[in-house]
Amino acid sequence: DTGVSQDPRHKITKRGQNVTFRCDPISEHNRLYWYRQTLGQGPEFLTYFQNEAQLEKSRLLSDRFSAERPKGSFSTLEIQRTEQGDSAMYLCASSLGGLQETQYFGPGTRLLVL
Amino acid sequence: QKEVEQNSGPLSVPEGAIASLNCTYSDRGSQSFFWYRQYSGKSPELIMSIYSNGDKEDGRFTAQLNKASQYVSLLIRDSQPSDSATYLCAVIHGSTGGFKTIFGAGTRLFVKA
Repeated sequence: DTGVSQDPRHKITKRGQNVTFRCDPISEHNRLYWYRQTLGQGPEFLTYFQNEAQLEKSRLLSDRFSAERPKGSFSTLEIQRTEQGDSAMYLCASSLGGLQETQYFGPGTRLLVL
Repeated sequence: QKEVEQNSGPLSVPEGAIASLNCTYSDRGSQSFFWYRQYSGKSPELIMSIYSNGDKEDGRFTAQLNKASQYVSLLIRDSQPSDSATYLCAVIHGSTGGFKTIFGAGTRLFVKA
């Protein structure tokens, strides 16, 4: 499978715990995006990487969220001290880059914070 | 005002009809426009992209862009029950140091057999 993969696909955690999600982009793609999607809404931009550099970060992203992309390959998104409002689908996408780009989405990680 | 606005629907059309989906955006500097389809519980998949004013056709799909009116639409001809999904409009605009993709909330489409 040469598409975008995400792990885990589902995560249930208790409020206050830390969680980490992983995204493996399509191998030749240098851009990687993280989005959050709640029911009835479109994907909400969180952050994106050009290779290993984090170039844009949403103002909506609190200090509890951090993302990394070491060596410009896979990426991790960590949420510290989870809150019930963090319950959502976390989507990763990758692209070759440029304005005229197609973003290919992974299957997502569904997070439920109890 | 939301940056990208879509009618949430649901839009219901009979099989074989034309479905018309609309999207408006607020940032005049927006440069690239996309339509994604999302089935329930699945991730978005690209349907069409458009970058310049006018129409772009791909099979049963036609995207229309009017930058002066800040309006982009998607027409689906000969609608099929398998087209029933949520259609997301996405807009890319540049900012210092990078680009941001903004999605609308999506329009739910039901195609009745």
